[in-house]
This record gives sequence, structure tokens and C-alpha cells, in this order.
Amino acid sequence: AQSVTQPDIHITVSEGASLELRCNYSYGATPYLFWYVQSPGQGLQLLLKYFSGDTLVQGIKGFEAEFKRSQSSFNLRKPSVHWSDAAEYFCAVGARGWGKLQFGAGTQVVVTP
Amino acid sequence: DAGVIQSPRHEVTEMGQEVTLRCKPISGHDYLFWYRQTMMRGLELLIYFNNNVPIDDSGMPEDRFSAKMPNASFSTLKIQPSEPRDSAVYFCASSLGDRETISGNTIYFGEGSWLTVV
Repeated sequence: AQSVTQPDIHITVSEGASLELRCNYSYGATPYLFWYVQSPGQGLQLLLKYFSGDTLVQGIKGFEAEFKRSQSSFNLRKPSVHWSDAAEYFCAVGARGWGKLQFGAGTQVVVTP
Repeated sequence: DAGVIQSPRHEVTEMGQEVTLRCKPISGHDYLFWYRQTMMRGLELLIYFNNNVPIDDSGMPEDRFSAKMPNASFSTLKIQPSEPRDSAVYFCASSLGDRETISGNTIYFGEGSWLTVV
């Protein structure tokens, strides 16, 4: 069965520091991978997605993610976080013909001054 | 584009009452999803529709929950009777795609309906 694991429930990072959020998936074929962000009181917004091709994907708000098939990972990174990046981040996996996404449990990011 | 519109944004109701949540997907989108989010269970897919037809309702928790999509621009999620354990944020989302590549298309979420059952 398909699954998504986000090992870190909560991360605290200083403003200006780099951020990396981990995502591991389990799926037999080539997955479609997504990162969404949820700000307090809001719905989920797509940051970036990977289908095929270049394994380094650029997204909005300065985020990028790298697909590593050998590690079954799709980690999200940002070189320098801003206070506005404080939010919950969700990794999700889908597949061709599957019809829906499987979301991870989310990682809460707190940004300190 | 107005995005996915949900109503009500917040609702507090008493146990046993009927709750109806409403959703207007993005115009032109042919897939509609209902998700539920809680601290304990995270984000769960309840049901999704394609061209107004329910495709997968395996996530609907029990018979107290029902969802309809009478036309391409409107869907409802109904809970009758409501229970305190139904308290959650309910998200509606929509996307444009076909059956083979739906997961490859972006899912757009509404801002959620925050339900509290007391």
C-alpha cells in the first residue's frame, strides 16, 4: 500500500537559517510527489510537485525539493527562512491512474527571531 | 479566479443536530474532494467525485455521513446526527484532470469549514 512518512512532527528554526523537511514514501512505481503548506486557519496551498524529469524541483516562496528514488525520499528545502514560513507542511504522494493523494501527517515549522 | 469556496467557515452545533457543509469548486474543475482534518488522524480523504459522480467513498466514516454533488458547481457534505467526535476541519478541494492523470494535477483547497459539535 502507498504511504507517506514525515519523520519530524515539529521543527524550530531561526529566521534566516536553512530549513529541510523530510518526506519518505512507499510506492511500487514512479510516484507523483507534492508538497503543500498550510498557514494557520487556511487551506492547503501547493508549494511544488514532481512527476518526472529533473529530480530537483523549484516551487513557490523560494522552496525546492529533490526526488531521490534510491532513498524513496522527497525532501523540501529552503536556504533562508522568513518568519512568514511558519506553518504546517504536508508531503503527499499520488500515482498515475490512482485518483487521489495520500498525505503525510505534516511537519509543524516554528520560526524564531 | 475565486478559488474553492466553502461555507460555513465556522459552525458550532449541538450533538444530534444535522450539519450541512457546502462547497463551490473552481469553475471548470471536474474533480471534487472532501477531506477531514483532526489532530489525531491528520488529513483524511472522505470522498471524491468526478464529473459529479462519486468515485470513491471508502473514507466516509459511517452512515451518518453523506455527500452529494447535484451539479458541477456545488457539493454538500452532510452529517446526521452529528456527534462530538465529528468536530474537525472539513476541506473541500477541486482539480482538473482525467482518470489516468488526476494525481498529476494540482488539487486546490478551500479554506475549510471548522465544525465543533458540543
